[in-house]
Amino acid sequence: DQQVKQNSPSLSVQEGRISILNCDYTNSMFDYFLWYKKYPAEGPTFLISISSIKDKNEDGRFTVFLNKSAKHLSLHIVPSQPGDSAVYFCAAINFGNEKLTFGTGTRLTIIP
Amino acid sequence: DAGVIQSPRHEVTEMGQEVTLRCKPISGHDYLFWYRQTMMRGLELLIYFNNNVPIDDSGMPEDRFSAKMPNASFSTLKIQPSEPRDSAVYFCASSATSAGPQHFGDGTRLSIL
Repeated sequence: DQQVKQNSPSLSVQEGRISILNCDYTNSMFDYFLWYKKYPAEGPTFLISISSIKDKNEDGRFTVFLNKSAKHLSLHIVPSQPGDSAVYFCAAINFGNEKLTFGTGTRLTIIP
Repeated sequence: DAGVIQSPRHEVTEMGQEVTLRCKPISGHDYLFWYRQTMMRGLELLIYFNNNVPIDDSGMPEDRFSAKMPNASFSTLKIQPSEPRDSAVYFCASSATSAGPQHFGDGTRLSIL
């Protein structure tokens, strides 16, 4: 039962363009959503988060959008840079059970 | 600042052997999490601790797996006896609060032959 889904296993984007990574969830009880970035042979690194009471959070080149009615969130990276090439994980948490649920990840490749 | 430290980085051992993975969380973090990453199932939470006490071990696959946190700066994940299907990357993470961002170690790549 995959409560957090990333349906695109991979994405390629030209350097300088916008990268859009998508995530869908099924559990309406999630309170908080996070994006993590992972390079090979390293652990995931926290990138940006959003509370379920908001619809947008921005941090530099990274913006996360949340559409609660559609149970969908997305991460926008603009402009995309070669160093953004990594696997991106969407994650969600219900404050009641304290456990993060991760999606399966999307491998982003930025083409120079 | 030192991040989460895991050891060993790589472990190759034969089926049936005992395997012990180690983790040192970030100082001051009250929560510690053990995850397993596989191609088939992605990142799965195995167990987590709050203030050294195991809170939820429902993700531990079976009795061959056990985890301890004897003090605030050290945790172990043990597999005994190990099986080839245990081959995966095991991550440890810590956080200051239950909802706060988790900080991950670089993982232990475990191969059971």
